[in-house]
Parts: sequence; C-alpha cells; structure tokens
Amino acid sequence: GAVVSQHPSWVICKSGTSVKIECRSLDFQATTMFWYRQFPKQSLMLMATSNEGSKATYEQGVEKDKFLINHASLTLSTLTVTSAHPEDSSFYICSARDYTGRADTQYFGPGTRLTVL
Amino acid sequence: AQSVAQPEDQVNVAEGNPLTVKCTYSVSGNPYLFWYVQYPNRGLQFLLKYITGDNLVKGSYGFEAEFNKSQTSFHLKKPSALVSDSALYFCAVREGDVDMRFGAGTRLTVKP
Repeated sequence: GAVVSQHPSWVICKSGTSVKIECRSLDFQATTMFWYRQFPKQSLMLMATSNEGSKATYEQGVEKDKFLINHASLTLSTLTVTSAHPEDSSFYICSARDYTGRADTQYFGPGTRLTVL
Repeated sequence: AQSVAQPEDQVNVAEGNPLTVKCTYSVSGNPYLFWYVQYPNRGLQFLLKYITGDNLVKGSYGFEAEFNKSQTSFHLKKPSALVSDSALYFCAVREGDVDMRFGAGTRLTVKP
C-alpha cells in the first residue's frame, strides 16, 4: 500500500520551544493532508486539513497560530508546534489522501510522540 | 453530519476462533467506510474500505468486512484470529469529499 512517513518519530523538548514535524507521501502525490492528535486510549482528533498551495483549514478549538501548518509541495506537509507547553504533549499523526489509481483512500504516517518538559 | 460508532471498547477472543469487531455509521448520503488498525505507538494501517459494489470487502491480513445498508453497519471479521491481531481497531466513515470521522476504537485481544 501507499506509504506516508513522519519525522521525527519522537521528540522531547523544553517548554517554550518550537517543534517541527514533517509528513511525506512517498509514492503518491497528496493534494490533501490531514493532521490528527491522539491522546492515550482515545481516538484520533482532527486538527486541521491542509491543501497544497493554500492555507490550512483548522477544526474548531485548534489554535492556528500555535499549530502552524505548511503544505508546500504535493508530497510534504509540516506541522510546527510553536511555544510548546506540557499540555501539547501528545501523539501527532499525519495522513495523506490518495486520489489516484488506487481510488480514494487516506493513508497514515507512523506518528510522532511529542513530550514537552 | 456523518458519524461512526464502535459499541465495544474491548473484544477478547481465543486464538483460532472467529472474531468480529462492530461498527455502525450514520450519514445522510452514500458512505465511504474504512477500517484501520493501530499497534502501540504507531500510526494507523489501512485494512480495507467500502466505496461501492460488493457488500463483502476483503482486505489485508485475512480481514474482511460486510457492508449492511439496512442495518447501517460495517462489521470487521476474520475467520481465525491470531495473537498478532491484538491491536486497536478503528472504523471510519467519510461522506463525499469531507474529512473522515473515526470511531472511538475497539481494543482486540487475542489470547493463545
């Protein structure tokens, strides 16, 4: 199946610093990518939808100035957690939507575990 | 608005026995239905999907799911469970071009 990668897989940072997470679709072009957040033993919560070349659409309650999303190319989207605080500690998962020959399916990255001290 | 429900938080089965993980959905139009599996500290892996066509969909690792429009269900099944199938399973629905909605997840434990 299609592959979506995320980097880094885990990161520990100090409170007040910024962290960038990269999401890449490796074998297909993704005009639409999604960023999710998952708390322990809970389902995925959609944070934002990013479309290549345009501004991301954020879900209600998600601070766009805190979670900066850039979808600069058809294979790369980045999520930057700015001025991170301990409550931002979570598992962040990206997803890329493949509209091509395999038909419309969303594929997920392996996730990034963020721990803010 | 579209939504999906997984009525069971936990499903336990013995290795070799058939397993079923339940999912029901609610949409106003035609649903696109998906099953994903998540292993600890990992992202979601795509198992199978229903878009249109045959109601019985076969997917990865021997899993299958049956789309039942009258019962608005899309239960995941496997004839013979393996210990390695133990994981968290998510059902998801998408209606048209909007974003996907996930169920709360069902933790499957297969005991040897």
